[in-house]
Amino acid sequence: QVQLVQSGAEVKKPGSSVWVSCKASGDSFINYGINWVRQAPGQGLEWMGGVIPTFATANYAQKFRGRVKMTADESTSTAYLELSNLRSEDTAVYYCARGVFAGRGNSYSGLDVWGQGTTVTVSS
Amino acid sequence: DIQLTQSPSFLSASIGDRVTITCRASQGIVTYLAWYQQKPGKAPKLLIYSASSLQSGAPARFSGTGSGTEFTLTISSLQPEDFAIYYCQQLNSEPLTFGGGTKVEIK
Repeated sequence: QVQLVQSGAEVKKPGSSVWVSCKASGDSFINYGINWVRQAPGQGLEWMGGVIPTFATANYAQKFRGRVKMTADESTSTAYLELSNLRSEDTAVYYCARGVFAGRGNSYSGLDVWGQGTTVTVSS
Repeated sequence: DIQLTQSPSFLSASIGDRVTITCRASQGIVTYLAWYQQKPGKAPKLLIYSASSLQSGAPARFSGTGSGTEFTLTISSLQPEDFAIYYCQQLNSEPLTFGGGTKVEIK
């Protein structure tokens, strides 16, 4: 059974950057996409973007373009999220989630496996 | 961006009740819709994909219907472990937006 295990909690200063990792165990990344979803305290879910490791392509929500980078290393089955120029509004739990392809281009049918979440706190 | 509107945002129900949650999309998304359950402090869990397919391991009391712009999640007989927040997500086009959530609480 595949599991996604994320790196630990981070506390960052405004203006700095954060890296979050997401390692798959029990399966490889091949034939899946890895998405990143965040959840601010007491709020709903927000999709940030995703990467397809096999093609090394990433797509980002417009809101984050210019300060987000998503990558994946197939050899270690690990995906990475980098978010730069952090502000207090970026304080949230960040989740990675595996996307299952629906058979139409790169569309997904759902996000079937989720990491445990990484809390990122941005505070001066 | 495609907007998803869930209703109700909150509902109070009793054990054994039949519960229905609606998700409306601002434009047609065929059947590229998923439903998730989230409990406090936990990651979301996929219940339904492609609008009506039950995810492996999800209880059979959960079902999904719909296509185009209107979708429903039904819990046929509410169980104690079903008290949670439920989210819909469209996967038709990026950004892959979520609905605002429906919190199901015990009456």
